[in-house]
Amino acid sequence: GQQLNQSPQSMFIQEGEDVSMNCTSSSIFNTWLWYKQDPGEGPVLLIALYKAGELTSNGRLTAQFGITRKDSFLNISASIPSDVGIYFCAGITSGTYKYIFGTGTRLKVLA
Amino acid sequence: DGGITQSPKYLFRKEGQNVTLSCEQNLNHDAMYWYRQDPGQGLRLIYYSQIVNDFQKGDIAEGYSVSREKKESFPLTVTSAQKNPTAFYLCASSSAGEKLFFGSGTQLSVL
Repeated sequence: GQQLNQSPQSMFIQEGEDVSMNCTSSSIFNTWLWYKQDPGEGPVLLIALYKAGELTSNGRLTAQFGITRKDSFLNISASIPSDVGIYFCAGITSGTYKYIFGTGTRLKVLA
Repeated sequence: DGGITQSPKYLFRKEGQNVTLSCEQNLNHDAMYWYRQDPGQGLRLIYYSQIVNDFQKGDIAEGYSVSREKKESFPLTVTSAQKNPTAFYLCASSSAGEKLFFGSGTQLSVL
């Protein structure tokens, strides 16, 4: 099945640093979703985006719905050790039921 | 408490045995999904259901079966025909094209 191209695949950062990751698609989406997954747990929804150009924040997290509707970005400011995990994106087109997922970004924070 | 409940958290399957994973949601969502996640891999769609008494195959349906007799419930059976069943299984639900919420997952292993 189709997967979204997510980058970087993994990153090590120092505590307190800002983090950026992105997701690109060959298809247009109406909704972009960003998740965080801890080992052995289900993904937790962080942010949902519904409109091209939309910028939405959730605490230290900020996500943007790309203008072309084919990409999305997630930023984490002032990272802390509990930000460790796998972050992945998902997109879906209105009226459909199949979500397309990114390949994931594995984040490791060095204290 | 609203959400998606998966059980059991850990499950072991013997050779030739069918096992059933439970998924219940109280979010009043029409659509429910089953995904398979292998270590270091993304999510792959097994089956999804848009409405009661109807379901569609995903990308990797072979060796699996589902039923949707109630809106709240979408059990997944891993049959003996699935030769490589060891994986982390995630159930999810949504309203069409909206936020997708996940359960906490079931880890299936082969004895």
